Amino acid sequence: DQQVKQNSPSLSVQEGRISILNCDYTNSMFDYFLWYKKYPAEGPTFLISISSIKDKNEDGRFTVFLNKSAKHLSLHIVPSQPGDSAVYFCAANGNQFYFGTGTSLTVIP
Amino acid sequence: DTEVTQTPKHLVMGMTNKKSLKCEQHMGHRAMYWYKQKAKKPPELMFVYSYEKLSINESVPSRFSPECPNSSLLNLHLHALQPEDSALYLCASSQLRSGIGTDTQYFGPGTRLTVL
Repeated sequence: DQQVKQNSPSLSVQEGRISILNCDYTNSMFDYFLWYKKYPAEGPTFLISISSIKDKNEDGRFTVFLNKSAKHLSLHIVPSQPGDSAVYFCAANGNQFYFGTGTSLTVIP
Repeated sequence: DTEVTQTPKHLVMGMTNKKSLKCEQHMGHRAMYWYKQKAKKPPELMFVYSYEKLSINESVPSRFSPECPNSSLLNLHLHALQPEDSALYLCASSQLRSGIGTDTQYFGPGTRLTVL
């Protein structure tokens, strides 16, 4: 049973525009959420996190939004750059990590 | 510094071989993890060590044997693997400041394992 879902397997965005990656979860007990970026054959790199007591966290070009009532979080990348092209995983922390299925982002120059 | 190192980077082994994967972190983290990742899939948790003790074993076959010699090192011993075990094996660590539930995990680059 997939407790964290990313329903868009891929996303293409023009350089300079906004990329919005979405993530849904089912377990209301999750209280800490993270986004990771992954290049092929490399380990995931931690990008940004958010605690359930917040609804927004910002770090440079990356902003994560959390809507607890909808059990939904999103990652906004503004402006998108070609180097952002990678697979993005959201993860939720309960008694262990639960990863989403990933969204492959392609930023077109 | 959020570096987790893994060796080797690539490993090819036969089904009768015995090999080990190594992971090291010097961030003072007290939890270390092994994950397996197949192409186009999310990482799957295999084992968790907290304070050098095995705390989670996600029903992994006994041909995978983890070992935590000290708080900085984590090994994964491999024996009699099958071709379907070919995958990227990822190690991660986290601070365990207030329980696994609010930890950020930092991942190593992974070992690409091929079983012939």
